[in-house]
Amino acid sequence: DAGVIQSPRHEVTEMGQEVTLRCKPISGHNSLFWYRQTMMRGLELLIYFNNNVPIDDSGMPEDRFSAKMPNASFSTLKIQPSEPRDSAVYFCASSSTTTYTGELFFGEGSRLTVL
Amino acid sequence: GQQLNQSPQSMFIQEGEDVSMNCTSSSIFNTWLWYKQEPGEGPVLLIALYKAGELTSNGRLTAQFGITRKDSFLNISASIPSDVGIYFCAGQTNTGNQFYFGTGTSLTVIP
Repeated sequence: DAGVIQSPRHEVTEMGQEVTLRCKPISGHNSLFWYRQTMMRGLELLIYFNNNVPIDDSGMPEDRFSAKMPNASFSTLKIQPSEPRDSAVYFCASSSTTTYTGELFFGEGSRLTVL
Repeated sequence: GQQLNQSPQSMFIQEGEDVSMNCTSSSIFNTWLWYKQEPGEGPVLLIALYKAGELTSNGRLTAQFGITRKDSFLNISASIPSDVGIYFCAGQTNTGNQFYFGTGTSLTVIP
């Protein structure tokens, strides 16, 4: 079975540009999470969705960040405008709340560099 | 958010030695997960724990769900060079399905 699929794997952009990261969760999973990982802060939860509905976005740094989940198989994380301090690895993860085993599975991440 | 204290922060050990790391929380969790992350990759799930006192093994790895439900332990026996990576704990409360992560333990195995 395919795991969580993220794209792009690497993105280098200039300050002020819009960045869109994409995620396809594991088929059948109804919860999707966006995390940001940096050396300084480790893994930070940005936002998570249950059944395509945003449940907790308190981790979103500021209004420049937005996330959508238009359907069960696709989510985007957008940064507009991007800033150098947004440079990090962004992970998408999915899980199922309908099974007893609520395990969380990660994608391989999108490494973002903002110059 | 929830604070998970993971220790030690880093470990340098000789190949063949056993490794122990732990995670503590100020809150009660109903699920504990242990992950390993290698450079350039996403965290990979190693072991999942669902009941207080549960002891689960995955090869040379053994993890335990603490009786108080506020801690968990991961042991690696007879370490090998490919055990190198960063190990994370993660916990989930029963009030929501978000997962909280520890700060990670960086493991270096010296051949």
